Amino acid sequence: DTGVSQDPRHKITKRGQNVTFRCDPISEHNRLYWYRQTLGQGPEFLTYFQNEAQLEKSRLLSDRFSAERPKGSFSTLEIQRTEQGDSAMYLCASSRTQGAAYNEQFFGPGTRLTVL
Amino acid sequence: DQQVKQNSPSLSVQEGRISILNCDYTNSMFDYFLWYKKYPAEGPTFLISISSIKDKNEDGRFTVFLNKSAKHLSLHIVPSQPGDSAVYFCAASDNNSGGSNYKLTFGKGTLLTVNP
Repeated sequence: DTGVSQDPRHKITKRGQNVTFRCDPISEHNRLYWYRQTLGQGPEFLTYFQNEAQLEKSRLLSDRFSAERPKGSFSTLEIQRTEQGDSAMYLCASSRTQGAAYNEQFFGPGTRLTVL
Repeated sequence: DQQVKQNSPSLSVQEGRISILNCDYTNSMFDYFLWYKKYPAEGPTFLISISSIKDKNEDGRFTVFLNKSAKHLSLHIVPSQPGDSAVYFCAASDNNSGGSNYKLTFGKGTLLTVNP
């Protein structure tokens, strides 16, 4: 399977705990994106990387959130001191930066976070 | 403010008939549009896209039409099949100063049900 993978698929945690999610993009894709989706809404952009550089962060990404892509391959998204409002599906996507279909982002299956 | 709007939360059609899903946008800087399909507990799957320099793009049973003056696009599925039943998201991106589209802005989605 050469698609985008995410781990874990589900995470249940208690309020105040820290959680970390991992995303492995399609291998030849330079860009990696994180989105969040809540019930009844479309995915909302959080941040994106080109190779290892984090180039933009949404205002939705509070200082409790941090994302890394240390070697320009996989990425992690950490949420510190989780709150119930953080409960959502966290989606990762990747894309090329040039060539055919470079605008098309391919999504992973998501990590469903539930904060109790 | 909702920059991408899908005003129909749901649509029901008979198998074999045409499904038409609509999307409106407000940001005139958007220049690339995509449709994604999403099944429960999965990430969005890319379906078809269109650049603002075109007014139609076709791929098999799927055709996307873009009306820039009306800031409106639509996805036509002909013929509709029961397996097409899913949530369909319209997404848009704008050309940033770097010349490469990146973050996607999504609508809230339309649940399509195709009845046998």
